[in-house]
Amino acid sequence: EIVMTQTPLSLSVTPGQPASISCKSSQSLPQNNGKTYLYWYLQRPGQSPQLLIYEVSSRFSGVPDRFSGSGSGTDFTLKISRVEAEDVGVYYCIQGLNLTFGPGTRVDIK
Amino acid sequence: QVQLEQSGAEVKKPGSSVKVSCKASGGTFGGYGINWVRKAPGQGLEWMGGIIPIFGTAKSAQRFQGRVTFTADESAATAYMELSSLRSDDTAVYYCARTHTYYEYVSGTYHCTGLFDQWGQGTLVTVSS
Repeated sequence: EIVMTQTPLSLSVTPGQPASISCKSSQSLPQNNGKTYLYWYLQRPGQSPQLLIYEVSSRFSGVPDRFSGSGSGTDFTLKISRVEAEDVGVYYCIQGLNLTFGPGTRVDIK
Repeated sequence: QVQLEQSGAEVKKPGSSVKVSCKASGGTFGGYGINWVRKAPGQGLEWMGGIIPIFGTAKSAQRFQGRVTFTADESAATAYMELSSLRSDDTAVYYCARTHTYYEYVSGTYHCTGLFDQWGQGTLVTVSS
């Protein structure tokens, strides 16, 4: 079974500053039809999770361009170029082979 | 746009079962899957499994195998998740999510990706004696 790890588990960011979350897979994620099934979600307090990034680096509809994803193989990264108050919540990565979520990274505002 | 509407909160006794529904209002499931994810207090998101209604194929996470059943009624555009032998640590908010699928040429079958683009509002299931 593929295990996903995230670092850091908690992040406190000053508004307007960048943030970066790492997601590592215990096995290299293969490609299927040229796609790597690695996704990022945000769960804001009291809300259902929402999709931010799909297939490593594609922003989902309506997601601000301050969010970006990158990576390959076993190492993936979510970056927020300038954190805003509405970005508070828990961020999760998930790989699409056996659908395992990472433990989550809690982001709050300083 | 399709919205997923889940059934209401439940309180159950240990050892009993719970069945949560997820209705796609404003549309049908089409070729999408419906997966279920839960969030227990103090824990992260946990994928439980799901179903591709058009094919009736279901898959569950190993830790839930034998205890969870996924079904769907395409005519009613409704998917169901039934969890049995409930324990106190099953207390959680259960979410359904519309899921994109991909075709695996080797096996000739469709599988769910991790692309959950629409989510239900969540259903709180409390297991308590």
